[in-house]
Amino acid sequence: NAGVTQTPKFQVLKTGQSMTLQCAQDMNHEYMSWYRQDPGMGLRLIHYSVGAGITDQGEVPNGYNVSRSTTEDFPLRLLSAAPSQTSVYFCASSPPGRSYNEQFFGPGTRLTVL
Amino acid sequence: AQKITQTQPGMFVQEKEAVTLDCTYDTSDPSYGLFWYKQPSSGEMIFLIYQGSYDQQNATEGRYSLNFQKARKSANLVISASQLGDSAMYFCAMREAGDSNYQLIWGAGTKLIIKP
Repeated sequence: NAGVTQTPKFQVLKTGQSMTLQCAQDMNHEYMSWYRQDPGMGLRLIHYSVGAGITDQGEVPNGYNVSRSTTEDFPLRLLSAAPSQTSVYFCASSPPGRSYNEQFFGPGTRLTVL
Repeated sequence: AQKITQTQPGMFVQEKEAVTLDCTYDTSDPSYGLFWYKQPSSGEMIFLIYQGSYDQQNATEGRYSLNFQKARKSANLVISASQLGDSAMYFCAMREAGDSNYQLIWGAGTKLIIKP
């Protein structure tokens, strides 16, 4: 199993550009989520999905869109990048069952918005 | 109010010594889980240990143990016989069973440096 994969690893954008961060998992996990990590802070939840076709907002959803057309994929779209979105983005997944199972993390995407 | 507090921004520890990383939490949900993750300089998040609020015994995973004091709402991570490879950021996180977001709520982390 590849686990949770993310692409790209690094990205530089100009203000106003849009892009999609890719996330895929091959563990048949129902729950997937996107977090951002800013310096000196823990991770904060952007969006999450409890299954294909179902998404919802987390703590910091503004400026981001998600979709979940398959169990495996959960892309994160930046609609119009802003310098405040400079961060490290992590995708995570967890299996069904108890609400507090371990979350498996992807390697992260380091995004810089100029 | 902070739900997860890690009061040690950074720690230096001599190799082979034991180290305790502090974590206090705040929740009114009787059912919750506490997690510790390690983030080395390469950036990935590595799951270390989990403690459920109803677990009777403290969790242990190899050199890692969790000192769970429910009444004090603390969940300190203990690393025995520290190694140079333990140098990393360590994050405490909590998930509340009643949270429909299923999200992990994170502390700000502790940077641990192991000295040879």
